[in-house]
Amino acid sequence: EDKVVQSPLSLVVHEGDTVTLNCSYEVTNFRSLLWYKQEKKAPTFLFMLTSSGIEKKSGRLSSILDKKELFSILNITATQTGDSAIYLCAVDSLIQGAQKLVFGQGTRLTINP
Amino acid sequence: NAGVTQTPKFQVLKTGQSMTLQCAQDMNHEYMSWYRQDPGMGLRLIHYSVGAGITDQGEVPNGYNVSRSTTEDFPLRLLSAAPSQTSVYFCASSYDPSGVYEQYFGPGTRLTVT
Repeated sequence: EDKVVQSPLSLVVHEGDTVTLNCSYEVTNFRSLLWYKQEKKAPTFLFMLTSSGIEKKSGRLSSILDKKELFSILNITATQTGDSAIYLCAVDSLIQGAQKLVFGQGTRLTINP
Repeated sequence: NAGVTQTPKFQVLKTGQSMTLQCAQDMNHEYMSWYRQDPGMGLRLIHYSVGAGITDQGEVPNGYNVSRSTTEDFPLRLLSAAPSQTSVYFCASSYDPSGVYEQYFGPGTRLTVT
């Protein structure tokens, strides 16, 4: 059975701190790993990773994938209160010709001023 | 370009009632899907569709029906609501069902079954 596990499930830090969120997976027919940010409503896309060792960056956020050890990390530097959200990791696999996303439980990140 | 839209935003049902959650997208995406999100469990796939007239079951399909008569619309029907179906429901779409593309999510429908 396909599985995606995120850790920690909850994290509280102070503004300005750096955080690292973890995502490990066991999935057949792996194609990509995606990170989403969920504030109050719909998840919004952050990154898609398909190759090991290539860091994706967007401002203070960065992410990398290790396909040998089956995990990914999401780093946020110089955190701000607006970074408070649930961060979701999902793995995309191809099953019977169709995309399937398997999600982790999410990490609830709270940034205190 | 509205993206993925869902109606209603909130709904309260009594056990045994039926209803349809609406989902539409205006991006000409072939792939559409429904997820439910429960506390501590992430998003779980209910049903998905790879194009008009083609649907299939996801991880948690029991109690739900779908159909896809047009590319744009993908309604989710609850046949006889149960308290276990209390959840937040998200519709999502992506460009190509067999390609490596991100999924775009709608704003969600919060459903409570009493």
